Order: sequence, then C-alpha cells, then structure tokens
Amino acid sequence: EIVLTQSPGTLSLSPGERATLSCRASQSVSSSYLAWYQQKPGQAPRLLIYGASSRATGIPDRFSGSGSGTDFTLTISRLEPEDFAVYYCQQYGSSPPGYTFGQGTKLEIK
Amino acid sequence: QLQLQESGPGLVKPSETLSLTCTVSGGSISSSSYYWGWIRQPPGKGLEWIGSIYYSGSTYYNPSLKSRVTISVDTSKNQFSLKLSSVTAADTAVYYCARLTEAFHGWGQGTLVTVSS
Repeated sequence: EIVLTQSPGTLSLSPGERATLSCRASQSVSSSYLAWYQQKPGQAPRLLIYGASSRATGIPDRFSGSGSGTDFTLTISRLEPEDFAVYYCQQYGSSPPGYTFGQGTKLEIK
Repeated sequence: QLQLQESGPGLVKPSETLSLTCTVSGGSISSSSYYWGWIRQPPGKGLEWIGSIYYSGSTYYNPSLKSRVTISVDTSKNQFSLKLSSVTAADTAVYYCARLTEAFHGWGQGTLVTVSS
C-alpha cells in the first residue's frame, strides 16, 4: 500500500501570500492518479486538481498542481480569505485497485 | 447538475450492521464513465476510502475493511448502498458517497453515523 505524507501539518500565511503544500508518496505514483482536495469545516471535500496538474471544473487558476514520481505540490499563487481550509492529496492504485489519502495540511490565517 | 445524497440511521449499536444508501440525481448511475464509492471521516480526522462499485455490480474494497463491507447498486432506483457489519465505536464517522474515476469528482454532503449503545 502506498502511503502519502503531507507537509507541513499546518501552514500559517496571510491573504495575498503564496502557499506551497507538499505530498510525498512512499513509492512512485502515476501522475495520472494524483489528486488534491480542499475541505472546509462542516463541508464535504471538493476536488481541486486531478491528474497531478489538471484543474477541476470551476476551480480558479490561482490553484495549480505539479510533480511526478513520489513528490507532488499544490500551489496557491495568491491566497484569498476563502482558501483557508484543510487540503488533502489522494492517489489511486490500479493493482490492486484502491485509493489512499494523505493526512492533510491545515492552511490557517496568520 | 449531479447531486448525491446519503441517507440512513444516524445511530447504530455496537456489533450491529451500519446501512447507508446514496441516491444519485442529475445523472445516471449506469454511466459507463464512472464508478461510485464510499469514503468516511472520523470526527477531527482524515479521509478513508471504504470501497467502490460499478453499475454492473463489480466491486473493490479497502483491504482493511473488506471482511466487513458490502456495497451494492440498484440501477432502477439510481442508488447504491453500503453495509458495514460488526461495527464498533471506531466506525463512528461522517460517511460520504461520491462519483469517481481515479479521483472523487462529486461528493454527497455526508452523514454522521455514531456507534453507541
């Protein structure tokens, strides 16, 4: 089973700043199978990025994903007040088929 | 617009079976493009995939839960369901249903299930 480790656990930034969130896999992940989600309190997660770098429908272009192999990054270019939330990475494995999530990064207002 | 809605008891006794249904609207569960799945989140913790099903009935489960999980589909009602047997307090969580490919593209709002006597 592939384990995803996200860092940092908590990131304290101010609106307007750039956020860089990391997701490291215990073994290589196909870029097609790496996704990022945003979750706000009391809400379901929302898909932001799939295929490591493709934005989901309706996601602003300040959100971008990159990476390959075992190291992936979610970047928020200029933080808006509504971006402060918890972010999860997720991978899909095809043999056997299944999904795992990272433990999350909490992005909080400094 | 696709909507998913979880339904079922909010309280289940220890050792009993948790049963939830997800009703899909605004799209067909028989779409060949997607699987349908269940994810859970214990209070204050992270996300855990439980299992997934295709409209044909083909399933795959999280190995850590496989012995206790059954997911089924009813295409006539545009629904799929989750059964988790022999529950304990550790199964207390918000349970989400979702539409998926290699990522979870659409989520229900979630339903809290508490395991307690």
